[in-house]
Amino acid sequence: EAGVVQSPRYKIIEKKQPVAFWCNPISGHNTLYWYRQNLGQGPELLIRYENEEAVDDSQLPKDRFSAERLKGVDSTLKIQPAELGDSAVYLCASSLDQQTGNNEQFFGPGTRLTVL
Amino acid sequence: AQSVTQPDIHITVSEGASLELRCNYSYGATPYLFWYVQSPGQGLQLLLKYFSGDTLVQGIKGFEAEFKRSQSSFNLRKPSVHWSDAAEYFCAVGAPEYGNKLVFGAGTILRVKS
Repeated sequence: EAGVVQSPRYKIIEKKQPVAFWCNPISGHNTLYWYRQNLGQGPELLIRYENEEAVDDSQLPKDRFSAERLKGVDSTLKIQPAELGDSAVYLCASSLDQQTGNNEQFFGPGTRLTVL
Repeated sequence: AQSVTQPDIHITVSEGASLELRCNYSYGATPYLFWYVQSPGQGLQLLLKYFSGDTLVQGIKGFEAEFKRSQSSFNLRKPSVHWSDAAEYFCAVGAPEYGNKLVFGAGTILRVKS
């Protein structure tokens, strides 16, 4: 079974440029998460989707970040415009079903963003 | 809101020696607790989890963790460390009333010397 797929793996951009990250969760997983991991820190949740609905986006900086999960499968996270402080690893994770209480989250390899 | 503290930023152990990584959490009720491992350039892999029941939890790769409610701790242990265990380890706490949102500690980097 394929795991969580993310692309690109690495991205280098100049500040003020836009950037987008793509995630394909494990097949059948209804819940999808985007995390940001700054250097030397643990991941922090940006947004959580239940199917196509964003149910927790309280930590998403909405002035420059946006996300979508069309059809409740793949998801895209966008930053526009990027700032120096956005340099981090962006992780996508998925889990089977929040309602069952089984909260094992499976993580993708992440996208390492460097903003120059 | 929940929080997690991992007091040790770095730990170095000799190959074959025992290991204990500390994790303390703050949460009002019985939390869901997790340990993840992250190798360089890789995503996080779940080592073990605690939801309820037996407070001693067995995981993959020979790891175990013990939930101690009185100490608000969930320390990770391994009796004999292998060089391949060198990685960064993250403790996380989840809360059902927050949609099982995971809050992670800052991580502990494990170095294994031969």
